Order: sequence, then C-alpha cells, then structure tokens
Amino acid sequence: DAKTTQPPSMDCAEGRAANLPCNHSTISGNEYVYWYRQIHSQGPQYIIHGLKNNETNEMASLIITEDRKSSTLILPHATLRDTAVYYCIVRAGIGGSNYKLTFGKGTLLTVNP
Amino acid sequence: DAGVTQSPTHLIKTRGQQVTLRCSPKSGHDTVSWYQQALGQGPQFIFQYYEEEERQRGNFPDRFSGHQFPNYSSELNVNALLLGDSALYLCASSLSVAVYGYTFGSGTRLTVV
Repeated sequence: DAKTTQPPSMDCAEGRAANLPCNHSTISGNEYVYWYRQIHSQGPQYIIHGLKNNETNEMASLIITEDRKSSTLILPHATLRDTAVYYCIVRAGIGGSNYKLTFGKGTLLTVNP
Repeated sequence: DAGVTQSPTHLIKTRGQQVTLRCSPKSGHDTVSWYQQALGQGPQFIFQYYEEEERQRGNFPDRFSGHQFPNYSSELNVNALLLGDSALYLCASSLSVAVYGYTFGSGTRLTVV
C-alpha cells in the first residue's frame, strides 16, 4: 500500500469548515483513498472513499488532486462531536489481494467552541 | 440494523494465559478482520477471514490465531499472553466483493497483568 503523510494535529472552530490534508505521492492507479475517524474509546468509523473524482456524502467531501498525489477531507460545518483522530488510508479496490487497512498515526482534529 | 458486536468489552488476564475474543459481523457482511491497537497508536492488522479461511495475515506471531464460523462470526485466540499483548482489539466486517469501507466494532480492551 502507498504510504500516507498527515499532520499530527489540527484545530478548528465550531461551525467552520475543517480541511484535513493527506499526501500519498506513491499511490498506484488502482488504489483508492479512504478516510476513517476514531472518536476516543470507540472503533474507527468509515467516512468516505474515492479513486480520482471528488466525492461527497452526508458526512464529508473528499477532494483528490488531478495527479492523485494528495487529497483533502472537508467537514463543512465542524461540531464538537467531530473531535477525533482522522486517518487517511490508501488501499487497492476490487481485484487486489491486499485486504488490510494500514493505519498511520492520523491527524487529531480538535474542534473548539 | 445491528453493527459489529464484540465481546467481552473488557478483560483482564494473567501473563501466560490464553484468551478468546468474539465478533459478530454486521448483518449481510461475510468478511471479518481483526486489528490490535496499542495505546496512542493506529490499529495494526492481525488477519482477515473469508469463507472460514484466513485470507491474509499481518505481522503477528503464531500465538495469534482465529476462526470464522458458517454464520460469519469470528473468534480471535491469543495463547501464552505477554504483557505487550495489552491493547484494544478491534473487529471489522465487510462485504468481500465491495470496495466500501469496513465497519468496526467498539473493541475489546485486553489487559495482561
């Protein structure tokens, strides 16, 4: 799996957009970008994934650069409940033989009142 | 719709003992993965089970073994417990053919004394 690089921590004001960056410069053509988050004392929660197009769901938006070497997770209106560690993970999709998720240390996002 | 269920939630064992952790996947999911998360670290992949077979294994010793039952539920067994096995053990389920995200349980907190 391609290696990912994320800042260790970020702060965001409640109600503002949180933009979490991730670098994955060695990503392969068949690898997807996944985002998970882990709220304290809970298991990781799937947020969103994408291959090369921007994606949006009820939780967040994912912006992937045209060269696919980096991406940004956007929480449009952060709330205190969004305080968590956010993990950016690269993994092959269907047809690959590597099924594991490789977690780094992620970004601790703290949403402040 | 119940998500991933893990039992027990907490467990204290003595060094050298054996432990069995249990996981029921999300309804409709047929694949189960196990992860170990030490304090302050991201989850580390132990192995994945599909069709009652171990499909992929991470860098863990043979003391860690597993099983998947016909109803897709799974067990993680750890023999000869070491102090370093103290961690949060997470179970994740998914559909084998999907690129969608994994659904994680809340984990079992294992303490080895």
